[in-house]
Amino acid sequence: GNSVTQMEGPVTLSEEAFLTINCTYTATGYPSLFWYVQYPGEGLQLLLKATKADDKGSNKGFEATYRKETTSFHLEKGSVQVSDSAVYFCALDSSYKLIFGSGTRLLVRP
Amino acid sequence: DGGITQSPKYLFRKEGQNVTLSCEQNLNHDAMYWYRQDPGQGLRLIYYSQIVNDFQKGDIAEGYSVSREKKESFPLTVTSAQKNPTAFYLCASSKRQAWENTEAFFGQGTRLTVV
Repeated sequence: GNSVTQMEGPVTLSEEAFLTINCTYTATGYPSLFWYVQYPGEGLQLLLKATKADDKGSNKGFEATYRKETTSFHLEKGSVQVSDSAVYFCALDSSYKLIFGSGTRLLVRP
Repeated sequence: DGGITQSPKYLFRKEGQNVTLSCEQNLNHDAMYWYRQDPGQGLRLIYYSQIVNDFQKGDIAEGYSVSREKKESFPLTVTSAQKNPTAFYLCASSKRQAWENTEAFFGQGTRLTVV
């Protein structure tokens, strides 16, 4: 069945460092791909999305490109801030529901 | 403001008791979803509903029940049959069935603890 695999965390970075969180997927067809962010004690918020191959989703300095050939959707940011500390979830749509990865916790130190 | 509201934020239940978690949305969304989140794990789908008076089991429906009598409301009941109910529960809604051109809105979650 369809699935999403994320790199395990936590990922700990210093402020202004470059961020990459890896996400790969297994799916039939061409699902839409998403990154969601969860701040402590809260629900999830959509960070960005891509609906077809080679699309690049971007928001708040974060970017991810839908790579069909490598079945990947890695999240990147050029310069992280302390306020980016959160849990990040990669997800894909499958038969009208979202399938989530296990989440990657990001800790950014001042 | 439009949004999706879950209540209560924290809930304590004694073993053997049923408990109902509330989820209300005023976004006029057709589809609603319940997910369970455990530490170190992703979100797992419990139930989802694409239209009023209809719902389907997700991946971990055993020990849970839902109803969808109104478009705005999708309550989740955690029954005594659920063997490990302590978790963080998230409700979500989306505008229509296809995910491509819409986004899922999540509530703030309910943390259920069985004591």
